[in-house]
Amino acid sequence: KAGVTQTPRYLIKTRGQQVTLSCSPISGHRSVSWYQQTPGQGLQFLFEYFSETQRNKGNFPGRFSGRQFSNSRSEMNVSTLELGDSALYLCASSAIENTEAFFGQGTRLTVV
Amino acid sequence: AQSVTQLDSHVSVSEGTPVLLRCNYSSSYSPSLFWYVQHPNKGLQLLLKYTSAATLVKGINGFEAEFKKSETSFHLTKPSAHMSDAAEYFCVVRANQAGTALIFGKGTTLSVSS
Repeated sequence: KAGVTQTPRYLIKTRGQQVTLSCSPISGHRSVSWYQQTPGQGLQFLFEYFSETQRNKGNFPGRFSGRQFSNSRSEMNVSTLELGDSALYLCASSAIENTEAFFGQGTRLTVV
Repeated sequence: AQSVTQLDSHVSVSEGTPVLLRCNYSSSYSPSLFWYVQHPNKGLQLLLKYTSAATLVKGINGFEAEFKKSETSFHLTKPSAHMSDAAEYFCVVRANQAGTALIFGKGTTLSVSS
């Protein structure tokens, strides 16, 4: 069974631009969550989607948004990029809510 | 609210010696607990999980962890370290309530010397 796939793996953007990251969960999984990993803050929760509905949102500014499609694939968008948005963005999928999460390899975003 | 404290930011062991990575948690609700491992430039891999069944949990690659409610601990152990175990390890808690997020500890870097 294929794992969680995140695209692209690496991204370089300029301050002020926007970016969209994509996540394809494990086949049959309906829950997708996103996390930001930085050396200073560690792993922080961004949001979680289940059956196209946002179930939970972390403490991030409104520039960070996401959505989930009917096939459970998810995207997250960051607008008006700031240098501090440079991070590894990890997507995780779960079969249903509150079961173990399986992570993708992440998208490494660098904002210059 | 949930929180996790990993008591050591860095642990160094010799190959073939035991590994102990310590984790304390706090949760307002009955928790699920997990250990994940992250190798350099890789995503997170699930090592093991506790979800209110047996308190001694066995995971992959010879790792195990014991849930101790009275001590609010979930320490990760392995009898004999291997060079390939060198990585960063995260203790994670989630409340058993709908729509709750995974809460990560700050991580413990495990170094293994030959």
